[in-house]
Amino acid sequence: EAAVTQSPRNKVTVTGGNVTLSCRQTNSHNYMYWYRQDTGHGLRLIHYSYGAGNLQIGDVPDGYKATRTTQEDFFLLLELASPSQTSLYFCASSDAGGEGEQYFGPGTRLTVL
Amino acid sequence: SQWGEENLQALSIQEGEDVTMNCSYKTYTTVVHWYRQDSGRGPALIILIRSNEREKRSGRLRATLDTSSQSSSLSITAAQCEDTAVYFCATGAGGYKVVFGSGTRLLVSP
Repeated sequence: EAAVTQSPRNKVTVTGGNVTLSCRQTNSHNYMYWYRQDTGHGLRLIHYSYGAGNLQIGDVPDGYKATRTTQEDFFLLLELASPSQTSLYFCASSDAGGEGEQYFGPGTRLTVL
Repeated sequence: SQWGEENLQALSIQEGEDVTMNCSYKTYTTVVHWYRQDSGRGPALIILIRSNEREKRSGRLRATLDTSSQSSSLSITAAQCEDTAVYFCATGAGGYKVVFGSGTRLLVSP
């Protein structure tokens, strides 16, 4: 069964803090995605990747960096966290990009004070 | 934006009723995804309908796609309390990306 895991599940930091969110998939999928979910906005794409070392800019990339170190691991970095980045973050993987199912992780709730 | 309707909508129905959720999109797409998100969990795909399909069924779920009007619908027949969730439509955009609508919050009461 497809598996996408995220860590940490909850994170609280202060304004200006440094945060790394981790995602691992064991699906052998090429595509991985980072989304943020805020009430009233659905899921908005931050960054995505179609393989190790590849990075693509999503629709709401400001304030975020990402790195895909292996096929399995995709990280989201907030180097100077701001309260506007308080959100629920989801990672997803897919074997067919936009044409196929996205498998989501359980989410990370980030609070920036 | 890819989507015509941007605000999270809410529907409240009684158990046993039928319900239909609609989405309209602005740009060409080859596939429409429908996801369900339960409280505290990530979204999960329930139906994926391609541009060469007008209708697709899965149990009590039925999705339609009208490429001429750029719209899709998801219907649930005889809704149950366990159908309570947020439902998202999404389009496959530009090959790699999936663009999500803002969702419909469905509450099914006994």
